[in-house]
Amino acid sequence: DSGVTQTPKHLITATGQRVTLRCSPRSGDLSVYWYQQSLDQGLQFLIQYYNGEERAKGNILERFSAQQFPDLHSELNLSSLELGDSALYFCASSVGSTNTGELFFGEGSRLTVL
Amino acid sequence: TQLLEQSPQFLSIQEGENLTVYCNSSSVFSSLQWYRQEPGEGPVLLVTVVTGGEVKKLKRLTFQFGDARKDSSLHITAAQPGDTGLYLCAGPSGSARQLTFGSGTQLTVLP
Repeated sequence: DSGVTQTPKHLITATGQRVTLRCSPRSGDLSVYWYQQSLDQGLQFLIQYYNGEERAKGNILERFSAQQFPDLHSELNLSSLELGDSALYFCASSVGSTNTGELFFGEGSRLTVL
Repeated sequence: TQLLEQSPQFLSIQEGENLTVYCNSSSVFSSLQWYRQEPGEGPVLLVTVVTGGEVKKLKRLTFQFGDARKDSSLHITAAQPGDTGLYLCAGPSGSARQLTFGSGTQLTVLP
């Protein structure tokens, strides 16, 4: 158990819909990272928040947005969903703001868009 | 094109065999990490290598960082079914040094 909690574990929805994925980091970790894992693209970095502020942005689509709340949990919002958005979405956390240390990953949220 | 190229993409071997998987880049990395991901779970860190030429051992797993810090290898001795999983290398890149992952090697160890 990494200590990172993600909900929901599975989500099935239709094209054009909007979903919200939730992540609670390990106790004491200030950074939250979102990654997308698909068969053809591998594990792709989307965005990082540190102590409530956006820290780094990766290959995140404009239809996607994220935020980190004062209690440090984070949400990833995916809107106008397309078939290609079907993937595993992972949240990870770390103590610091840089990426030289260990990332602790949750078990992921599997999104299926029909 | 992936910043970190891993090979082979798939590897299926018998229990007791040895194997090596590779992680290569044209870029220099300040450090590289290796993660293992099992089905239904997130990646879990195995090791971090920092110094060029560094060798780290974790039981039957030996990790090496290339002298020029552009590549790394993972050698498993006497593989066991419990070693089955997706092995990912990762290194910091980009302006914010976000952790970038390779495409992974899917290892299957057959009993």
